[in-house]
Amino acid sequence: GAGVSQSPRYKVAKRGQDVALRCDPISGHVSLFWYQQALGQGPEFLTYFQNEAQLDKSGLPSDRFFAERPEGSVSTLKIQRTQQEDSAVYLCASSLVGRTNTEAFFGQGTRLTVV
Amino acid sequence: GENVEQHPSTLSVQEGDSAVIKCTYSDSASNYFPWYKQELGKRPQLIIDIRSNVGEKKDQRIAVTLNKTAKHFSLHITETQPEDSAVYFCAAPRGPRGGGADGLTFGKGTHLIIQP
Repeated sequence: GAGVSQSPRYKVAKRGQDVALRCDPISGHVSLFWYQQALGQGPEFLTYFQNEAQLDKSGLPSDRFFAERPEGSVSTLKIQRTQQEDSAVYLCASSLVGRTNTEAFFGQGTRLTVV
Repeated sequence: GENVEQHPSTLSVQEGDSAVIKCTYSDSASNYFPWYKQELGKRPQLIIDIRSNVGEKKDQRIAVTLNKTAKHFSLHITETQPEDSAVYFCAAPRGPRGGGADGLTFGKGTHLIIQP
């Protein structure tokens, strides 16, 4: 079946512009995670959802970052007034909920470049 | 929260030799330790994981060992091949629910280079 799909794959934004990044998780996956991966670094947790509920947003760097998953499927990560330090790859992952079925499947990411 | 340290940052081995990557974690309650492989420009993909009720797990040329007392775990790749060249990340659960259900804390990655 289809894996986790993210769009766009690449986004160039002028500093100060707002952007929206989309994630389509694997069908039936209850949990959805957003990570930020800076160049040469490991993914860093931003936020996650269980169905439509945002259970933890402690990793969001500032109040310019906002994520939603209104119907418990597709999720959007929005960054307002982008700044150069926001440049990174934004990865989405989904998983089945539960203590034994928690393998996280990643999308290919959106590479955001703020100029 | 969980803190994961990974080393080395770069590892170069001759094709056919073995490679070992090591990670330490801080939260003694952590119970799930996955390893992800990420090729250049591609998504991270799970290659093997281990849960805290076992000390070792093998899958063909890949093995992971876990020492709960010392809070470290290692990835072992034997008979390395050119297609093993990639960045490898270890991870541990970042939240109290266990199993990575609250997300993962990743190490900084190891760039594995297989020399022909």
